[in-house]
Amino acid sequence: DVVMTQSPLSLPVTLGQPASISCRSSQSLVHSDGNTYLNWFQQRPGQSPRRLIYKVSNRDSGVPDRFSGSGSGTDFTLKISRVEAEDVGVYYCMQATHWPPWTFGQGTKVEIK
Amino acid sequence: EVQLVESGGGLVQPGGSLRLSCAASGFTFSNYWMTWVRQAPGKGLVWVSHINRDGTSTTYADSVKGRFAISRDNAKNTLYLQVNSLRAEDTAVYYCVRGAFDYWGQGTLVTVSS
Repeated sequence: DVVMTQSPLSLPVTLGQPASISCRSSQSLVHSDGNTYLNWFQQRPGQSPRRLIYKVSNRDSGVPDRFSGSGSGTDFTLKISRVEAEDVGVYYCMQATHWPPWTFGQGTKVEIK
Repeated sequence: EVQLVESGGGLVQPGGSLRLSCAASGFTFSNYWMTWVRQAPGKGLVWVSHINRDGTSTTYADSVKGRFAISRDNAKNTLYLQVNSLRAEDTAVYYCVRGAFDYWGQGTLVTVSS
């Protein structure tokens, strides 16, 4: 199984400042079709998860452009250019290249300082 | 508007069973494979089971294999998860998820306790 490792697990940020979350996989996430199936999800307190980014860097509809995804192979990053209050929650990376199983990172809790 | 509405959760004793349902609307259900993901209280997301578009292929996490059964009724636009031989560690919110994880339901809570 592919192990997804996120860091940090807790991220206190100042409003208006940038934030960055790292996600590493135990093996390359490049699929035989050439795509890299790495997703990012946001889970606000008391809500269901919501997909923010798919295939490393593609933002879902309605996702603010302050969110961006990057990376390749085994190393990936989610960046928030300027954190807003509504960004508080837990962020998960997930790989969908080598399945089953689909595997998630442990989650990174973003909170306001 | 895509909607996924889970139901069927509740309090059950160890060894008991439940049937979770997920009513889908706002899209052509039969065009999408579907997934169940669970989240224990205060914990992270864990993939549980997957079913292909016509229900002929299913996969399960090792932790639930032989105890859970996923199925679907494309005529009723409904996904199911039969959960048997429940254990305390199965206590979680169970989410119904569409296709490439692009839409999630609100979840249904399963609590296994005596």
